[in-house]
Amino acid sequence: NAGVTQTPKFQVLKTGQSMTLQCAQDMNHNSMYWYRQDPGMGLRLIYYSASEGTTDKGEVPNGYNVSRLNKREFSLRLESAAPSQTSVYFCASRQDIMNTEAFFGQGTRLTVV
Amino acid sequence: AQSVAQPEDQVNVAEGNPLTVKCTYSVSGNPYLFWYVQYPNRGLQFLLKYITGDNLVKGSYGFEAEFNKSQTSFHLKKPSALVSDSALYFCAVRDQDSNYQLIWGAGTKLIIKP
Repeated sequence: NAGVTQTPKFQVLKTGQSMTLQCAQDMNHNSMYWYRQDPGMGLRLIYYSASEGTTDKGEVPNGYNVSRLNKREFSLRLESAAPSQTSVYFCASRQDIMNTEAFFGQGTRLTVV
Repeated sequence: AQSVAQPEDQVNVAEGNPLTVKCTYSVSGNPYLFWYVQYPNRGLQFLLKYITGDNLVKGSYGFEAEFNKSQTSFHLKKPSALVSDSALYFCAVRDQDSNYQLIWGAGTKLIIKP
């Protein structure tokens, strides 16, 4: 059981380049999330999808877009990368939005130069 | 607005001693609280949660947490620390005002010295 799988694990982009971070879960979870983790700031929610077919902005959505491709997959796109987007990105999933715990991928370390 | 605070950036404990990692919260309504652990270069792993019931919650790897409503705290504890417990620990609270999203503390780095 793979859980939550993120690709790629590492990426270096030049300012202005675009890329898509992929995330897939095999636990039949309804809710999926994208977070960024920066030193001393914990996790900040970028976007989430409470259920298939819906997406909503989180705390820090500017500069990002998302697609809930199907129940399994939730991608995060940077249209024009900026150095401020250098961070570690985590995808997570939960059975639902209520009481259940989140399961995390291993993260993508993104550097924008 | 809901919030969670982890007042210590780092906690140092000698192996074999008890450990406590602190978390306080502010919520409207009933608190739903979580603890996660992050090992280096890994994603977060769920340790335990408090939804309702007994104030002492037991979780993975011998960890437990005590919910204290009057002090609005949910401290993580372990009776005897292991070197392998060294990691980053995050407390989170469910935000019922924002579609039940999890609000995260900044994290506490736990260092267990042999």
